Amino acid sequence: EAGVAQSPRYKIIEKRQSVAFWCNPISGHATLYWYQQILGQGPKLLIQFQNNGVVDDSQLPKDRFSAERLKGVDSTLKIQPAKLEDSAVYLCASSLGGTIYEQYFGPGTRLTVT
Amino acid sequence: SQKIEQNSEALNIQEGKTATLTCNYTNYSPAYLQWYRQDPGRGPVFLLLIRENEKEKRKERLKVTFDTTLKQSLFHITASQPADSATYLCALENNNDMRFGAGTRLTVKP
Repeated sequence: EAGVAQSPRYKIIEKRQSVAFWCNPISGHATLYWYQQILGQGPKLLIQFQNNGVVDDSQLPKDRFSAERLKGVDSTLKIQPAKLEDSAVYLCASSLGGTIYEQYFGPGTRLTVT
Repeated sequence: SQKIEQNSEALNIQEGKTATLTCNYTNYSPAYLQWYRQDPGRGPVFLLLIRENEKEKRKERLKVTFDTTLKQSLFHITASQPADSATYLCALENNNDMRFGAGTRLTVKP
């Protein structure tokens, strides 16, 4: 079974530039999560999708971050414009959903904003 | 405000001993609690889940306890091995509100 795929693995941009991350969850997983993990901290949930609907985006900085999950499969997370404090690893995870809560994480995208 | 605290940033133990990691929380009522392992440069890997009405869960050398009165979970690795060296994260969820602790970095020395 293929795992959660993310791209790119690394990205370096200057502040005020835009960046997009892509995630392909495990086939059949209804729930998809985007997390931000700053060095030395635990992952922080940004947004959770159930199929193509948003379940929770309370911690997503909506003035600069956006995410979509078209057709309930792949997802993209965008930052526009980026700030220095956005430097972090962006993790995508998926789970079957329903009463199955175990999450499978991708390798993450390491973003450096200079 | 809601807070999740894992006992220490780092824990060093000798091979063969039991590692015990702590996860405490305040102002939160999780429906269940999960433990994940994270190696450098990788995403977290699921280990165990325990629900609010369960006291203990075991899987091979791993054991998790969950005390909703003390608002605490303990994670034990028995007969620890150098390969167990990693950062261990606890995660709490209630009503789609998912929160992770900062993690404890475990080093098992041969």
